[in-house]
Amino acid sequence: GNSVTQMEGPVTLSEEAFLTINCTYTATGYPSLFWYVQYPGEGLQLLLKATKADDKGSNKGFEATYRKETTSFHLEKGSVQVSDSAVYFCALGNSGGYQKVTFGIGTKLQVIP
Amino acid sequence: EAGVTQFPSHSVIEKGQTVTLRCDPISGHDNLYWYRRVMGKEIKFLLHFVKESKQDESGMPNNRFLAERTGGTYSTLKVQPAELEDSGVYFCASSQAGNSPLHFGNGTRLTVT
Repeated sequence: GNSVTQMEGPVTLSEEAFLTINCTYTATGYPSLFWYVQYPGEGLQLLLKATKADDKGSNKGFEATYRKETTSFHLEKGSVQVSDSAVYFCALGNSGGYQKVTFGIGTKLQVIP
Repeated sequence: EAGVTQFPSHSVIEKGQTVTLRCDPISGHDNLYWYRRVMGKEIKFLLHFVKESKQDESGMPNNRFLAERTGGTYSTLKVQPAELEDSGVYFCASSQAGNSPLHFGNGTRLTVT
């Protein structure tokens, strides 16, 4: 079955540091890949997505590239801010025409001034 | 546009009691999903409605869980009787079409003591 593996964290970075959160997946077929973010006290929000191999999703300075050869979808940001402190979830979709999403365990990021 | 609303935000009940969680999706969203995150584990899919019909309930843990969406608007998730392992955060999400992005509520934190 489908599965997602990501570093659990917590990850603590200083403001303006470079961020990488690793994510690898196991899936049949070619699912869409997502990063969701959960800010404190809020629900999950879609941060970015990629729908096919070599696609790069980007939003709010975050990027991730769909790598079929390494089954990876690592999240990166060049310069994090305190406001980026949140829990980040890597996820993959299914091919059934609806959003039966498989999530990773979530990585808590804390950015300190 | 109002987002996905979940009620209550927190619920503490004793083992053996009954709890009903409610989700109001975004108006016009035919697709409604329930997900659950048990402490320290991944967010797991529970089920998917299209309007009032259950399309996929493969993630429901057992028959102590009952989800309904009468009239195709709001949905309820009842746990009866609750067990300790049911503790976690229950998320509701909705989408306009099957493959449209998910909009999540803030979740209901259920604690069974």
